[in-house]
Amino acid sequence: KAGVTQTPRYLIKTRGQQVTLSCSPISGHRSVSWYQQTPGQGLQFLFEYFSETQRNKGNFPGRFSGRQFSNSRSEMNVSTLELGDSALYLCASSLVGTTTDTQYFGPGTRLTVL
Amino acid sequence: AQSVAQPEDQVNVAEGNPLTVKCTYSVSGNPYLFWYVQYPNRGLQFLLKYITGDNLVKGSYGFEAEFNKSQTSFHLKKPSALVSDSALYFCAVRDPMDSSYKLIFGSGTRLLVRP
Repeated sequence: KAGVTQTPRYLIKTRGQQVTLSCSPISGHRSVSWYQQTPGQGLQFLFEYFSETQRNKGNFPGRFSGRQFSNSRSEMNVSTLELGDSALYLCASSLVGTTTDTQYFGPGTRLTVL
Repeated sequence: AQSVAQPEDQVNVAEGNPLTVKCTYSVSGNPYLFWYVQYPNRGLQFLLKYITGDNLVKGSYGFEAEFNKSQTSFHLKKPSALVSDSALYFCAVRDPMDSSYKLIFGSGTRLLVRP
């Protein structure tokens, strides 16, 4: 079974622009979560989607948003990019998103904001 | 509030020797605990998890972890380290009483296995 895929793998943007990242979960998985990884803050939870609905959201500004499609694929969008948004963005999928589920991570999208 | 501590930024061990990567946690209820490994320019790879039952959990690639409730610890171990085990290791906790479902990660421990 194919793993979690994320596109693109690398992105370079300038301040003020917006960006959209894509995530395809493992086949059959319906829950998709997003995390931001930076050297200073470590791994932080952004949000989680299940059946096209955002169920949970982390402590990030409204510039960070996401959505999930009927095939469970998910996108996240960051508007008005800031230098501090430079990070590795990781997507993780799990079967139904219960507390005992294992989250399986994709390779990430490396975003650099200049 | 939930939290995870990985007290060592780096662990150095010789190939063939046993390794331990330490993790302690703080949650309000009984924790669900996870270990992940990250290789350069890669995402996180799942190693093992503790939900309930036997305190010794066996996972991928010969890794195991021991849940100790009294010491609130979940240390990762391997009897014989390989050079290819060199990577960044993350401990994570999920509080079943927290409806947000998110994983709380430690800061990571870099494991360096020398030949």
